[in-house]
Amino acid sequence: DAKTTQPTSMDCAEGRAANLPCNHSTISGNEYVYWYRQIHSQGPQYIIHGLKNNETNEMASLIITEDRKSSTLILPHATLRDTAVYYCIVRVGHNQGGKLIFGQGTELSVKP
Amino acid sequence: EPEVTQTPSHQVTQMGQEVILRCVPISNHLYFYWYRQILGQKVEFLVSFYNNEISEKSEIFDDQFSVERPDGSNFTLKIRSTKLEDSAMYFCASTLLGQTTKNIQYFGAGTRLSVL
Repeated sequence: DAKTTQPTSMDCAEGRAANLPCNHSTISGNEYVYWYRQIHSQGPQYIIHGLKNNETNEMASLIITEDRKSSTLILPHATLRDTAVYYCIVRVGHNQGGKLIFGQGTELSVKP
Repeated sequence: EPEVTQTPSHQVTQMGQEVILRCVPISNHLYFYWYRQILGQKVEFLVSFYNNEISEKSEIFDDQFSVERPDGSNFTLKIRSTKLEDSAMYFCASTLLGQTTKNIQYFGAGTRLSVL
Protein backbone atom coordinates (compact mmCIF):
# COMPACT_ATOMS: atom_id res chain seq x y z
CA ASP A 1 0.00 0.00 0.00
CA ALA A 2 1.23 3.48 -0.84
CA LYS A 3 2.69 5.70 1.87
CA THR A 4 0.76 8.80 2.94
CA THR A 5 1.93 12.08 4.46
CA GLN A 6 -0.30 14.25 6.63
CA PRO A 7 0.33 17.30 8.80
CA THR A 8 0.74 16.41 12.45
CA SER A 9 -1.89 18.82 13.71
CA MET A 10 -4.38 21.46 12.61
CA ASP A 11 -6.77 23.86 14.26
CA CYS A 12 -10.18 24.89 13.00
CA ALA A 13 -12.79 27.31 14.31
CA GLU A 14 -16.16 25.85 15.15
CA GLY A 15 -18.62 26.28 12.29
CA ARG A 16 -15.88 26.71 9.70
CA ALA A 17 -14.81 24.19 7.10
CA ALA A 18 -11.92 21.96 8.09
CA ASN A 19 -9.68 21.02 5.16
CA LEU A 20 -7.32 18.15 5.93
CA PRO A 21 -4.68 17.42 3.29
CA CYS A 22 -2.99 14.14 2.47
CA ASN A 23 -0.14 13.40 0.07
CA HIS A 24 0.08 9.98 -1.55
CA SER A 25 2.44 10.58 -4.46
CA THR A 26 3.22 6.87 -4.98
CA ILE A 27 -0.42 5.78 -5.25
CA SER A 28 -1.05 3.21 -7.97
CA GLY A 29 -4.03 2.87 -10.26
CA ASN A 30 -5.92 0.28 -8.24
CA GLU A 31 -5.47 1.92 -4.85
CA TYR A 32 -8.27 3.75 -3.08
CA VAL A 33 -7.98 6.61 -0.61
CA TYR A 34 -9.79 5.99 2.67
CA TRP A 35 -10.31 8.36 5.57
CA TYR A 36 -10.94 7.23 9.13
CA ARG A 37 -10.94 9.17 12.36
CA GLN A 38 -10.35 8.30 16.00
CA ILE A 39 -11.97 10.33 18.74
CA HIS A 40 -9.97 10.16 21.97
CA SER A 41 -8.86 6.49 21.96
CA GLN A 42 -12.23 5.20 20.77
CA GLY A 43 -12.25 2.74 17.90
CA PRO A 44 -11.44 4.24 14.49
CA GLN A 45 -14.48 5.35 12.51
CA TYR A 46 -14.84 5.25 8.74
CA ILE A 47 -15.55 8.59 7.11
CA ILE A 48 -15.31 8.34 3.34
CA HIS A 49 -13.29 6.83 0.51
CA GLY A 50 -12.68 7.36 -3.21
CA LEU A 51 -10.73 6.22 -6.22
CA LYS A 52 -10.46 9.21 -8.53
CA ASN A 53 -13.75 11.09 -8.47
CA ASN A 54 -14.69 13.52 -5.74
CA GLU A 55 -17.02 11.99 -3.19
CA THR A 56 -19.49 13.40 -0.69
CA ASN A 57 -21.51 11.79 2.07
CA GLU A 58 -23.32 12.97 5.16
CA MET A 59 -20.07 13.34 7.09
CA ALA A 60 -17.61 14.87 4.67
CA SER A 61 -16.36 15.50 1.15
CA LEU A 62 -13.26 14.01 -0.42
CA ILE A 63 -11.44 15.89 -3.14
CA ILE A 64 -8.82 13.90 -5.08
CA THR A 65 -6.48 15.71 -7.46
CA GLU A 66 -6.52 14.72 -11.10
CA ASP A 67 -3.11 13.04 -10.85
CA ARG A 68 -4.31 11.30 -7.66
CA LYS A 69 -1.14 12.21 -5.82
CA SER A 70 -2.97 14.09 -3.10
CA SER A 71 -6.40 14.49 -1.58
CA THR A 72 -8.27 16.72 0.85
CA LEU A 73 -10.91 15.73 3.35
CA ILE A 74 -13.41 18.52 3.96
CA LEU A 75 -15.63 18.74 7.02
CA PRO A 76 -17.94 21.53 5.84
CA HIS A 77 -19.07 22.86 9.23
CA ALA A 78 -16.76 21.57 11.93
CA THR A 79 -18.15 21.11 15.42
CA LEU A 80 -16.38 20.49 18.72
CA ARG A 81 -17.28 16.80 18.36
CA ASP A 82 -15.12 16.63 15.23
CA THR A 83 -12.00 17.04 17.35
CA ALA A 84 -10.13 13.81 16.59
CA VAL A 85 -7.15 12.24 14.86
CA TYR A 86 -7.85 11.85 11.14
CA TYR A 87 -6.13 9.11 9.17
CA CYS A 88 -5.63 9.03 5.42
CA ILE A 89 -5.04 5.44 4.27
CA VAL A 90 -4.29 4.21 0.77
CA ARG A 91 -4.99 0.59 -0.01
CA VAL A 92 -5.60 -1.78 -2.86
CA GLY A 93 -9.13 -2.49 -4.01
CA HIS A 94 -12.27 -2.14 -2.02
CA ASN A 95 -13.55 -5.65 -2.33
CA GLN A 96 -10.69 -7.32 -0.53
CA GLY A 97 -10.33 -7.92 3.17
CA GLY A 98 -6.84 -6.52 3.63
CA LYS A 99 -5.57 -4.79 6.75
CA LEU A 100 -5.57 -1.06 7.35
CA ILE A 101 -2.17 0.51 7.93
CA PHE A 102 -2.52 3.56 10.16
CA GLY A 103 0.01 6.36 10.21
CA GLN A 104 0.21 9.08 12.84
CA GLY A 105 -2.65 11.00 11.24
CA THR A 106 -3.62 14.65 11.69
CA GLU A 107 -4.80 15.76 15.10
CA LEU A 108 -7.63 18.20 14.39
CA SER A 109 -8.63 20.54 17.19
CA VAL A 110 -11.91 22.37 16.67
CA LYS A 111 -12.02 25.44 18.87
CA PRO A 112 -15.04 27.53 19.93
CA GLU B 1 -27.32 0.83 13.59
CA PRO B 2 -25.39 -2.45 13.89
CA GLU B 3 -22.13 -2.22 15.79
CA VAL B 4 -19.14 -4.26 16.85
CA THR B 5 -19.28 -5.06 20.55
CA GLN B 6 -16.22 -5.71 22.69
CA THR B 7 -16.02 -7.02 26.25
CA PRO B 8 -14.73 -6.27 28.75
CA SER B 9 -14.08 -2.56 28.34
CA HIS B 10 -11.15 -2.80 30.75
CA GLN B 11 -9.19 -5.90 31.73
CA VAL B 12 -6.54 -5.89 34.44
CA THR B 13 -4.29 -8.91 34.72
CA GLN B 14 -1.05 -10.03 36.27
CA MET B 15 1.99 -10.65 34.10
CA GLY B 16 2.10 -14.25 32.96
CA GLN B 17 -1.65 -14.75 33.12
CA GLU B 18 -3.81 -15.70 30.18
CA VAL B 19 -6.46 -13.28 28.96
CA ILE B 20 -9.26 -13.62 26.46
CA LEU B 21 -10.68 -10.55 24.80
CA ARG B 22 -14.09 -10.96 23.30
CA CYS B 23 -15.77 -9.41 20.30
CA VAL B 24 -19.14 -9.76 18.67
CA PRO B 25 -18.76 -8.61 15.05
CA ILE B 26 -21.65 -7.24 13.01
CA SER B 27 -23.87 -10.21 12.27
CA ASN B 28 -23.58 -10.61 8.50
CA HIS B 29 -19.92 -9.65 8.28
CA LEU B 30 -17.40 -12.16 6.99
CA TYR B 31 -13.96 -10.74 7.70
CA PHE B 32 -12.68 -10.05 11.19
CA TYR B 33 -9.66 -8.23 12.56
CA TRP B 34 -7.77 -7.41 15.72
CA TYR B 35 -5.72 -4.23 16.06
CA ARG B 36 -3.97 -2.79 19.05
CA GLN B 37 -2.87 0.67 20.12
CA ILE B 38 -0.24 1.19 22.78
CA LEU B 39 -0.84 4.45 24.65
CA GLY B 40 0.33 7.39 22.57
CA GLN B 41 1.23 5.24 19.55
CA LYS B 42 -0.30 4.27 16.22
CA VAL B 43 -3.06 1.76 15.70
CA GLU B 44 -1.30 -1.48 14.65
CA PHE B 45 -2.73 -4.44 12.77
CA LEU B 46 -2.48 -7.79 14.55
CA VAL B 47 -4.44 -10.37 12.59
CA SER B 48 -7.26 -10.90 10.11
CA PHE B 49 -9.57 -13.89 10.01
CA TYR B 50 -11.74 -15.18 7.19
CA ASN B 51 -13.53 -18.42 6.52
CA ASN B 52 -12.49 -19.82 9.91
CA GLU B 53 -8.80 -19.33 9.45
CA ILE B 54 -6.17 -16.66 9.80
CA SER B 55 -5.87 -14.69 6.59
CA GLU B 56 -2.93 -12.51 7.55
CA LYS B 57 -0.95 -11.75 10.70
CA SER B 58 1.66 -9.23 11.68
CA GLU B 59 5.03 -9.77 13.33
CA ILE B 60 3.44 -8.76 16.62
CA PHE B 61 1.09 -11.75 16.44
CA ASP B 62 3.49 -14.38 17.73
CA ASP B 63 2.88 -17.76 19.36
CA GLN B 64 1.52 -16.09 22.48
CA PHE B 65 -1.50 -14.88 20.53
CA SER B 66 -4.35 -16.87 19.08
CA VAL B 67 -7.77 -16.12 17.63
CA GLU B 68 -10.90 -18.18 17.50
CA ARG B 69 -14.47 -17.96 16.33
CA PRO B 70 -15.97 -20.45 18.77
CA ASP B 71 -19.55 -20.02 17.58
CA GLY B 72 -21.50 -18.08 14.99
CA SER B 73 -21.26 -14.77 16.79
CA ASN B 74 -18.12 -14.41 18.91
CA PHE B 75 -14.56 -13.69 17.82
CA THR B 76 -11.88 -13.91 20.50
CA LEU B 77 -8.26 -12.92 20.95
CA LYS B 78 -6.30 -14.94 23.50
CA ILE B 79 -2.95 -13.92 24.91
CA ARG B 80 -1.44 -16.98 26.51
CA SER B 81 1.07 -15.46 28.92
CA THR B 82 0.76 -11.70 29.16
CA LYS B 83 3.77 -9.40 29.30
CA LEU B 84 3.95 -5.82 30.52
CA GLU B 85 4.34 -4.66 26.91
CA ASP B 86 0.99 -6.21 26.00
CA SER B 87 -0.70 -3.34 27.83
CA ALA B 88 -2.69 -1.52 25.16
CA MET B 89 -6.13 -0.85 23.71
CA TYR B 90 -7.26 -3.78 21.61
CA PHE B 91 -9.75 -3.10 18.85
CA CYS B 92 -11.84 -5.64 17.02
CA ALA B 93 -13.15 -4.82 13.56
CA SER B 94 -15.29 -6.52 10.96
CA THR B 95 -16.22 -5.99 7.34
CA LEU B 96 -18.65 -7.35 4.80
CA LEU B 97 -16.75 -8.06 1.60
CA GLY B 98 -18.17 -7.22 -1.75
CA GLN B 99 -18.00 -4.75 -4.59
CA THR B 100 -21.02 -2.82 -3.43
CA THR B 101 -20.23 -2.75 0.25
CA LYS B 102 -17.00 -0.73 -0.01
CA ASN B 103 -15.10 -3.07 2.34
CA ILE B 104 -15.42 -0.60 5.17
CA GLN B 105 -14.03 -1.84 8.46
CA TYR B 106 -16.23 -1.20 11.48
CA PHE B 107 -14.44 -0.99 14.80
CA GLY B 108 -15.54 -1.75 18.32
CA ALA B 109 -14.95 0.63 21.21
CA GLY B 110 -11.96 -1.41 22.34
CA THR B 111 -10.75 -3.29 25.41
CA ARG B 112 -8.12 -1.61 27.52
CA LEU B 113 -5.70 -4.30 28.73
CA SER B 114 -3.54 -3.41 31.70
CA VAL B 115 -0.81 -5.91 32.60
CA LEU B 116 0.65 -5.42 36.07
